[in-house]
Amino acid sequence: EAQVTQNPRYLITVTGKKLTVTCSQNMNHEYMSWYRQDPGLGLRQIYYSMNVEVTDKGDVPEGYKVSRKEKRNFPLILESPSPNQTSLYFCASISSTDTQYFGPGTRLTVL
Amino acid sequence: TQLLEQSPQFLSIQEGENLTVYCNSSSVFSSLQWYRQEPGEGPVLLVTVVTGGEVKKLKRLTFQFGDARKDSSLHITAAQTGDTGLYLCAGERTNAGKSTFGDGTTLTVKP
Repeated sequence: EAQVTQNPRYLITVTGKKLTVTCSQNMNHEYMSWYRQDPGLGLRQIYYSMNVEVTDKGDVPEGYKVSRKEKRNFPLILESPSPNQTSLYFCASISSTDTQYFGPGTRLTVL
Repeated sequence: TQLLEQSPQFLSIQEGENLTVYCNSSSVFSSLQWYRQEPGEGPVLLVTVVTGGEVKKLKRLTFQFGDARKDSSLHITAAQTGDTGLYLCAGERTNAGKSTFGDGTTLTVKP
């Protein structure tokens, strides 16, 4: 079954404590992307990746890092989380026809 | 600055009514997608439109891409309670992988 998985689904942490949200896809897609979703602001792209070792900034990259060491995985790293990074995060894997397959989401709370 | 403006932001109608949701931009997109998102889940693709002036039908849903590829509309005929959800448009620009989402239209269909 084609799917995108994210872990963890829920996370409560404190300011400054580094965290990683994992994302994995089994569709052999080259493109992957991270978004955050906030009320009234919609989905905003954080980073995207065009292939292994190729990443680029989206619209709101500040405070985030990503890596793409292998095609199936695209982790999102928050080196020093702050309360304004409290949000709902979605990973997406993108097909050759621009269809985005979204993961189930990670709800992050930074205290 | 929101590149994709969706209207209306909220829409509450009775079952059986028709409705149209708009997605407008001053930018040209190589393709535009419509997604539907239910609470607690990631967005799911409804349709992709690529050609200016293109019209696609999906049962009671009709999607149109503007001639200049800057805007799109989603029309639902005889809405049902199961159509309730958040509808999102997303545009792909020339640099593949970089997506922009509208901030969504929350549709409530009352029985």
